[in-house]
Amino acid sequence: DSGVTQTPKHLITATGQRVTLRCSPRSGDLSVYWYQQSLDQGLQFLIQYYNGEERAKGNILERFSAQQFPDLHSELNLSSLELGDSALYFCASSAGPGQSYEQYFGPGTRLTVT
Amino acid sequence: DAKTTQPNSMESNEEEPVHLPCNHSTISGTDYIHWYRQLPSQGPEYVIHGLTSNVNNRMASLAIAEDRKSSTLILHRATLRDAAVYYCILQDSSYKLIFGSGTRLLVRP
Repeated sequence: DSGVTQTPKHLITATGQRVTLRCSPRSGDLSVYWYQQSLDQGLQFLIQYYNGEERAKGNILERFSAQQFPDLHSELNLSSLELGDSALYFCASSAGPGQSYEQYFGPGTRLTVT
Repeated sequence: DAKTTQPNSMESNEEEPVHLPCNHSTISGTDYIHWYRQLPSQGPEYVIHGLTSNVNNRMASLAIAEDRKSSTLILHRATLRDAAVYYCILQDSSYKLIFGSGTRLLVRP
């Protein structure tokens, strides 16, 4: 158990809909990262927050947005969903924003768009 | 983003050491070398990381070449639980982890 929690575990929704994925980092961790894992693209970095502020952006679509709240939990919002958005979404956390910090991953949310 | 090259798959016998190689010839001076692994149906798990010197922890050892263009993850005694996809990643100052396709390690009992 990494200490990172993600809800829900599974989500099935239809194209065009909007969903919110939630992540609670490990106690004391200030940095949160979001990753997408699909069969054809592998694990891709989406976005990082540190203490409420956006720190790094990866291959995140404009239809996707995220935020980190004052209590440090984070939400990833996915809108106008397409079939290709079906994937595993992982959240990770680390103590700091830097390169010397290891990231701890949650169990993931499996999103299925039908 | 700096790239890494790993073999697609490797096999090992249980209780034997495993050496997983990684080439990163375009590494820059400030890139950290990270290793993560992903067991089936789980999120990635941190294994070890380093900058220039060799590193040891309870899970593994990381041997970094003097020119830093390659590194080797060493599992001292493979167990069945070590069967996973191992990712060698260079992390630059942008903090993001860029995952490649990794090495699938099979452990024979």
